[in-house]
Amino acid sequence: EVQLVASGGDLVQPGGSLRLSCAASGFTFSNCWMGWVRQAPGKGLEWVANIKEDGSEKYYVDSVKGRLTVSRDNAKSSLYLQMNSLRAEDTAVYYCARARGRVGAIDYWGQGTLVTVSS
Amino acid sequence: DIQLTQSPSSVSASVGDRVTFTCRASQDISSWLAWHQQKPGEAPKLLIYAASNLQSGVPSRFSGSGSGTYFTLTITSLQPEDFATYYCQQADSFPITFGQGTRLEIK
Repeated sequence: EVQLVASGGDLVQPGGSLRLSCAASGFTFSNCWMGWVRQAPGKGLEWVANIKEDGSEKYYVDSVKGRLTVSRDNAKSSLYLQMNSLRAEDTAVYYCARARGRVGAIDYWGQGTLVTVSS
Repeated sequence: DIQLTQSPSSVSASVGDRVTFTCRASQDISSWLAWHQQKPGEAPKLLIYAASNLQSGVPSRFSGSGSGTYFTLTITSLQPEDFATYYCQQADSFPITFGQGTRLEIK
């Protein structure tokens, strides 16, 4: 059974940093594109970033470029999102997701972790 | 960026009804469209990929069709567990985008 367990969400002040983690199991992590999708309270879904199987390619939505960085550790079957210079508009539930290929449909979603940016 | 417009934004229906949602893309995305279901407080779940392919484990009352810029998701014989919000997602090019969602409510 595919499982994606995200963690690391917290309350952080504007301008602060946070690192999200996602532990994957039930599939060969190193063979899959992975990504992050977020959902602000009461709002729709917004794709954040995707990363290639070996980490050599990364893609981001414009609003997070230069501030959020996706990475992975295939030896640990783990996905990460380093979040710097956080803004109030980054407040959301962040979902770890598995993608069907480079720009693929998201076929499995983690349970989400809440990031709140507020003073 | 590819914009996805879903309609209606919300709809009320009864158990046993047939409902159809639409998703329009701002440019041709071939069949690179997926549909996701999200229940309150839960993560989304993939229903359909590549416009018309049913994800493993999803009931056959869900079906998708379309190509190019016009897509539909149909649910035949609504069940109580189907009342949720449905999102389309384009898988054609970066940035990946989602529609704004269609909320399906019980009449």
